[in-house]
Amino acid sequence: QLQLQESGPGLVKPSETLSLTCTVSGGSISSSSYYWGWIRQSPGKGLEWIGSIYYSGSTYYNPSLKSRVTISVDTSKNQFSLKLSSVTAADTAVYYCARGYIVATTIDYWGQGTLVTVSS
Amino acid sequence: QSALTQPASVSGSPGQSITISCTGTSSDVGDYNYVSWYQQHPGKAPKLMIYDVSKRPSGVSNRFSGSKSGNTASLTISGLQPEDEADYYCSSYTSSNTVVFGGGTKLTVL
Repeated sequence: QLQLQESGPGLVKPSETLSLTCTVSGGSISSSSYYWGWIRQSPGKGLEWIGSIYYSGSTYYNPSLKSRVTISVDTSKNQFSLKLSSVTAADTAVYYCARGYIVATTIDYWGQGTLVTVSS
Repeated sequence: QSALTQPASVSGSPGQSITISCTGTSSDVGDYNYVSWYQQHPGKAPKLMIYDVSKRPSGVSNRFSGSKSGNTASLTISGLQPEDEADYYCSSYTSSNTVVFGGGTKLTVL
């Protein structure tokens, strides 16, 4: 059974860079056809797609976040990562990592989510 | 990209049927059969209920069905059960090779 687990700081200061890692177990991140993505949910709000990376390394980003987002993959560790720069309080959210198809339009596996708070 | 439009809330009694709409544009919902629906209970990760407009993943009840007409996709839940009470989100692939979610709909089972 595939499992995804987010890890990283739960508190980030304004203007700094948010960094999260998703560790995949029970399957290979190098498997073809899958996209590995990040989705966030601000408190009491809806889901927002941040971006996805294909197993080949191609990346796809939400246009509204593109200038601040970098998603990368480390196949040797079976992990993929998210970096979001110049954060503000508006970036406070539960961040989910996920596996999906069609750039992660269809997400069949989700991590449990991790709350990241942006505050000084 | 703008979020897909969903009603903020819908409600129904046990045993009834409800439909949740998800309206996009000709650059997303209207142009691709890549619409998914997710169910999210409080404090939990979303769960895939429908993909490719109308396909059900293994293990999802056949009380859940999806359809699409033009720029609007719909999720129908028949025979409402108390455990169906949750938030529901649609998502669509877009012509820009991105993904857009709907704003979410809170389903209340009366």
